[in-house]
Amino acid sequence: AQSVTQPDIHITVSEGASLELRCNYSYGATPYLFWYVQSPGQGLQLLLKYFSGDTLVQGIKGFEAEFKRSQSSFNLRKPSVHWSDAAEYFCAVGAGDYKLSFGAGTTVTVRA
Amino acid sequence: NAGVTQTPKFQVLKTGQSMTLQCAQDMNHEYMSWYRQDPGMGLRLIHYSVGAGITDQGEVPNGYNVSRSTTEDFPLRLLSAAPSQTSVYFCASRGDRVSYEQYFGPGTRLTVT
Repeated sequence: AQSVTQPDIHITVSEGASLELRCNYSYGATPYLFWYVQSPGQGLQLLLKYFSGDTLVQGIKGFEAEFKRSQSSFNLRKPSVHWSDAAEYFCAVGAGDYKLSFGAGTTVTVRA
Repeated sequence: NAGVTQTPKFQVLKTGQSMTLQCAQDMNHEYMSWYRQDPGMGLRLIHYSVGAGITDQGEVPNGYNVSRSTTEDFPLRLLSAAPSQTSVYFCASRGDRVSYEQYFGPGTRLTVT
């Protein structure tokens, strides 16, 4: 079965600085990959997804992610964070059995 | 188009009580699922359904029952609540089984004392 690892539990970044969140997955073939964001007290919102094709995908709110097959990674990036980006971010992978597996999440704090 | 709706938003139960968490979607999606979210554990799949009349267990099904009598509704039942079921519960749906892309409801925060 597939699995997802988000190595960073908590990241603090200054407003205006760049952000990178790591995601590693375990699956034998090319999976479907997702990043979701959860603002405090809210549900999950899809930021971006990768199914096939161009390995650099653009999402909403200025986020992008790059699929690297050789590293089994799907890291999320944003060039310049805003205070409103403070949230919890989840990487998810779907493969084979039609279910999504989620990572444990990374909490992002933005300092002024 | 309301998307995925969940009721209630908050609930406090005593140990041993039963209740049903409601979930409805108006997108005519075949696939619906229930997750629980606990700190440091991400979202874990409880039960899912691939269509009316068809349900199956996910990763953490014990203590929960589901049924799917209509395409729109997918209630989650706690038969005898336990403190270990204190969590935030999310319902999700998707129309395309292959794409995996899911739409989430706003969640229900459940506390069992």
